[in-house]
Amino acid sequence: AQSVAQPEDQVNVAEGNPLTVKCTYSVSGNPYLFWYVQYPNRGLQFLLKYITGDNLVKGSYGFEAEFNKSQTSFHLKKPSALVSDSALYFCAVRDQLDDYKLSFGAGTTVTVRA
Amino acid sequence: SAVISQKPSRDICQRGTSLTIQCQVDSQVTMMFWYRQQPGQSLTLIATANQGSEATYESGFVIDKFPISRPNLTFSTLTVSNMSPEDSSIYLCSVEDLGRGYTFGSGTRLTVV
Repeated sequence: AQSVAQPEDQVNVAEGNPLTVKCTYSVSGNPYLFWYVQYPNRGLQFLLKYITGDNLVKGSYGFEAEFNKSQTSFHLKKPSALVSDSALYFCAVRDQLDDYKLSFGAGTTVTVRA
Repeated sequence: SAVISQKPSRDICQRGTSLTIQCQVDSQVTMMFWYRQQPGQSLTLIATANQGSEATYESGFVIDKFPISRPNLTFSTLTVSNMSPEDSSIYLCSVEDLGRGYTFGSGTRLTVV
């Protein structure tokens, strides 16, 4: 079985400060890991993914995430947050042993204050 | 990356009726996925639709309630049958996309009154 945990329901930061959204996962095999963002009344937008290779993955809008196998984590980071980054963020995992199933975390609401 | 057109974008429906949601992809894909996002919740996979075969439903979801069609490699529909207020959710279709992992439609926001 696979699962994802996003331990924080909400993250609040000031504009210009670093932003971190936490994610830990559990899979039987090796993970494929994803981050998506959802703006109000919009669908999910892809931010970045880890499949294999470098542990530090860079994605859209200045976001990056670091795959840490020993801690089974894939935290999303942005060095300097913008007000426009305020949205709902989802971490997702797929077990390489599973054909296709993608499991989502509960989501973290990010609020960046001006 | 794949582009998905999903419609309707939103609807308000009477309880006891049914709504069919359409998902059109601009390229041929083997698998299409249907998710439900209840208010304030995460995404839950309803079923996986393969062309030419019965959809595979996840635990807690049944074909009678959520019949799915997959007539070709670019199109799928999800019907929400005999609706109740508990079915009020956002429904999203998704496809596996080599570049992005998975691409999602913009969603259908369903309100049942």
